[in-house]
Amino acid sequence: DTEVTQTPKHLVMGMTNKKSLKCEQHMGHRAMYWYKQKAKKPPELMFVYSYEKLSINESVPSRFSPECPNSSLLNLHLHALQPEDSALYLCASSQGQGQGNQPQHFGDGTRLSIL
Amino acid sequence: GEDVEQSLFLSVREGDSSVINCTYTDSSSTYLYWYKQEPGAGLQLLTYIFSNMDMKQDQRLTVLLNKKDKHLSLRIADTQTGDSAIYFCAEKGTSYDKVIFGPGTSLSVIP
Repeated sequence: DTEVTQTPKHLVMGMTNKKSLKCEQHMGHRAMYWYKQKAKKPPELMFVYSYEKLSINESVPSRFSPECPNSSLLNLHLHALQPEDSALYLCASSQGQGQGNQPQHFGDGTRLSIL
Repeated sequence: GEDVEQSLFLSVREGDSSVINCTYTDSSSTYLYWYKQEPGAGLQLLTYIFSNMDMKQDQRLTVLLNKKDKHLSLRIADTQTGDSAIYFCAEKGTSYDKVIFGPGTSLSVIP
């Protein structure tokens, strides 16, 4: 069982819909991540939150809007997505204390399909 | 820049050993990771090695690191059908918040 919980597991939405992906961890980690993963490819980093502040935005289109309400929660708000945005969206967390070993722990992802 | 390479496919017979290879370019990497991804699931951290180590063993898994050649390998002893998955090699990049992933090696285990 993963210690990073993502909901929903599957999401189908139209291009004009607004929806949100949610991620939760209770490991006391202070860094949280959103990744996009296409089939048979490695995860691509989208956003990093460190101590609840956005520290990295990998030039992600504004139709994706991240939010970190507290140290345990991470949301990804979706609006006006395109068919090419269909993918597995993975959330991860790590200790976020700078140096040292900080393996990222992943959730099982949300499978997103854009109609 | 930082780059991680892996062979894309590996096929082994059940009970044999599997060796998945990885090369990386960042000589300042401090930690190197192996993740496993089964179909429809997220990434599971299998093991990691610190750059001042040559080898790490954890049950059926053995990680070998050749820092001079920037070469990392993962050996799975007595490979089982449940080991069929994609295996990602990853290095901790120069930015402490980023991990650089390889393209993944798809391991198929033949019964």
